[in-house]
Order: sequence, then C-alpha cells, then structure tokens
Amino acid sequence: AQSVTQLGSHVSVSEGALVLLRCNYSSSVPPYLFWYVQYPNQGLQLLLKYTTGATLVKGINGFEAEFKKSETSFHLTKPSAHMSDAAEYFCAVSGGRRALTFGSGTRLQVQP
Amino acid sequence: DARVTQTPRHKVTEMGQEVTMRCQPILGHNTVFWYRQTMMQGLELLAYFRNRAPLDDSGMPKDRFSAEMPDATLATLKIQPSEPRDSAVYFCASGLVLTGDGDEQFFGPGTRLTVL
Repeated sequence: AQSVTQLGSHVSVSEGALVLLRCNYSSSVPPYLFWYVQYPNQGLQLLLKYTTGATLVKGINGFEAEFKKSETSFHLTKPSAHMSDAAEYFCAVSGGRRALTFGSGTRLQVQP
Repeated sequence: DARVTQTPRHKVTEMGQEVTMRCQPILGHNTVFWYRQTMMQGLELLAYFRNRAPLDDSGMPKDRFSAEMPDATLATLKIQPSEPRDSAVYFCASGLVLTGDGDEQFFGPGTRLTVL
C-alpha cells in the first residue's frame, strides 16, 4: 500500500524567498517519487522524479527535492520564488507496479 | 512536440445522459491512465491500460463507468448514465513503462465535465 501526505494545502511566500513544499510518503516497497506542477486549467507537468541513485534530485525551473529514507520525506525546494511559480504542486509515489498515488496538493502563492 | 490530447475539453450535460471522453496517447507509449480530479477527493486513479489491456479499474464505479482502448491511438472513458456527482476534470495520461514504475506519465489537458 502507498500513500502521500502533503503538509499545508496553501503556502504563501514572497517573491525571491525560499520555497519549501513538504511531502511524506508511505510505501511497502522501495518507492519512486515524483513532483508534478499544475497551472490553472492545465494538466500536470513533471517537475522532477527520484527512482534510484543520488538522493538530491534537480528538476525544471530551478526546483529540487531530496529523498530522505529515514524520514520518509521528499520535500520540494527552490531557493528563490518567482511569480511564475504560482501553481498547485502534487507529490506522488509509485511502487510495486502500480500507477501513481497522489497527495492532496499544495497551492503555492507568490506575493510581489 | 508530442503530447496527449483529450476531447472534448469541456462538456456540459444533463443527468442521465451518456458521456464519452476520448484520449489520444503519445505515439509509442504503452500505458494509458485515466484520473479524475475534484476539489473534495483530489486526484484519483480510475483505470489504466498497458498494451491496450486493462490492468486495473478498481477505482472506477463499475455500474456506470467503462474504459476501453479500441486501438493503440485511442482510449475512451464512458459514463452512462451520468450523475451530478460525476462532475469533475478527467485527465488522461500516457507513459512508456519499460522497467517498472519509475517512468514518467505525461498528462493531457483534461476534460472538464459538468453534469446538471
């Protein structure tokens, strides 16, 4: 069984500030972990993914995430927020030959 | 630029009517997923196919929903009869799954369904 918990349904940051979106997962098998972004009225777009190997994963648009097995976490960060980062972000887990299980999403607001 | 396409993008219908949503996966992808997104439930997996065979449809209400892949270029999701609680955005995604579950899924733009 797999599950994802995203802490904070809404996060607001100032432009230029650090972005930190939290994700904790549960998986009975070694997980594959993903972050997707959804802009208004659009489908989901992959930001980054962790499968195996290096635990710090870099994605598009300056985002990165670190897989911490001991904490069962896969938090998403970006050093400096931009207005265009305003969107909804979904963490997802996959493992055991099943499709993705998504978290409930975090809506990121960026204040000027 | 290969992408997943979905039609229609918007559908408004009355309760009891049949609704058919279509998806064209990216050419060469062997796996197709159907998801539903609502404010209350978030993103839910309805069904998925690999090489056109249904692998899992446990997320789908069996009495009114059906999903098929008539060929490799078309996936359909049908609701008959539709109910107001089916109002949601329905996403199709496709992927080339070779080694397991670490492969990316590419999402279509979604079909926004409103059942009155």
